[in-house]
Amino acid sequence: GAGVSQSPRYKVTKRGQDVALRCDPISGHVSLYWYRQALGQGPEFLTYFNYEAQQDKSGLPNDRFSAERPEGSISTLTIQRTEQRDSAMYRCASSLGLGAPSTDTQYFGPGTRLTVL
Amino acid sequence: AQTVTQSQPEMSVQEAETVTLSCTYDTSESNYYLFWYKQPPSRQMILVIRQEAYKQQNATENRFSVNFQKAAKSFSLKISDSQLGDTAMYFCAFMKGLNTDKLIFGTGTRLQVFP
Repeated sequence: GAGVSQSPRYKVTKRGQDVALRCDPISGHVSLYWYRQALGQGPEFLTYFNYEAQQDKSGLPNDRFSAERPEGSISTLTIQRTEQRDSAMYRCASSLGLGAPSTDTQYFGPGTRLTVL
Repeated sequence: AQTVTQSQPEMSVQEAETVTLSCTYDTSESNYYLFWYKQPPSRQMILVIRQEAYKQQNATENRFSVNFQKAAKSFSLKISDSQLGDTAMYFCAFMKGLNTDKLIFGTGTRLQVFP
């Protein structure tokens, strides 16, 4: 079936604007993750959901960042009052999340490259 | 807290040769998973191989295999018969527990395969 999709693929915004990044996980995947990746670095965890419940948001850098997954499928990561330091690749991943090795493997989307001017 | 260290920022190998990428990690957990992901120039994140910590047998996937040394907390990736398409950034990642959880990534190793 289709993989994880993210939109938009590229987003350029001005400092102070709000942005919303969308993630559509693999159909049937229970768990959904958001990561941020700076150039030349590994992805860093932001938050994750099981179904619609946000399980861990310890990686969100500050209260300008929020995420939701209201129906347990598509998720939106929102950044309010963007700053230049928010510029990065934002990646979404999903997994079946059934507590077994083969089902806990995370599959990544193509990412959204955010540039804040 | 768990940490993942990749001490080789860059590696190069000639086509058809074998190369080994290093990864060490630190954790007090007894149950966890380890992964290698590949990020080619397209910047996709592609799963290469997965290892369950409770398994003593090293995982293999075609030309890719790991050397998992649990006591030493080492998890290296061996790529045999290297191909030009293996040119990519390789990330080692750790996930604690036996239930779904976040991945903790290393800083990556950039591998260049030369013809």
